Amino acid sequence: QVQLQESGPGLVKPSETLSLTCSVSGGSFSSTSHYWGWIRQPPGKGLEWIGSFYYNGNTYYSPSLKSRVTVSVDRSRNQFSLSLTSVTAADTAIYYCARHSYGVGLDHWGQGTLVTVTS
Amino acid sequence: DIQMTQSPSTLSASVGDRVTITCRASQTISSWLAWYQQKPGKDPNLLIYKASNLESGVPSRFSGSESGTEFTLTISSLQPDDLATYYCQQYSSFPWTFGQGTKVEIE
Repeated sequence: QVQLQESGPGLVKPSETLSLTCSVSGGSFSSTSHYWGWIRQPPGKGLEWIGSFYYNGNTYYSPSLKSRVTVSVDRSRNQFSLSLTSVTAADTAIYYCARHSYGVGLDHWGQGTLVTVTS
Repeated sequence: DIQMTQSPSTLSASVGDRVTITCRASQTISSWLAWYQQKPGKDPNLLIYKASNLESGVPSRFSGSESGTEFTLTISSLQPDDLATYYCQQYSSFPWTFGQGTKVEIE
């Protein structure tokens, strides 16, 4: 059973970098059948895809965030990370990590972690 | 980017009612569309994939269909447990995009 768990600071100051980690159990980053990535949801609002990576190292980002986002993977720890630079209050959201199965969709999600941007 | 226009934004219905939610894509996405249910305070849960395929463990009262670039999620008989917000998502091409969501309320 695949499980994902987000971790990281719940508070970030404006202009600083938001950094989150997703720990994965029961899944492999070497599978050709899956993408792994991040989705966020501002309080009371809808879902926004941030970015994902594939087993071969290819990364894909939302055009609106591309200049500030990096998704990276640590295969030795079975973790992947999100880095979002120069944050503002508009980046306050619940951040989810999730697995996308090819042809299926986002079939496994973490429970989400709330990140608040505040001075 | 492919835009996903979802309607209505909110709907209120009674237990036992048939409920329909629509999502329209701004261009062809073949059948690469998923529907998710998000209950209050929870992470989203995959209901339907590839437009009309029921995810394992999802009740059979949920179904999906498509007609060109218009996609529909139907709940055949609304249950109290279906109180949630529903989202469509296209995964035909990057960037993946979601609809705005439909909040389903029980009368």
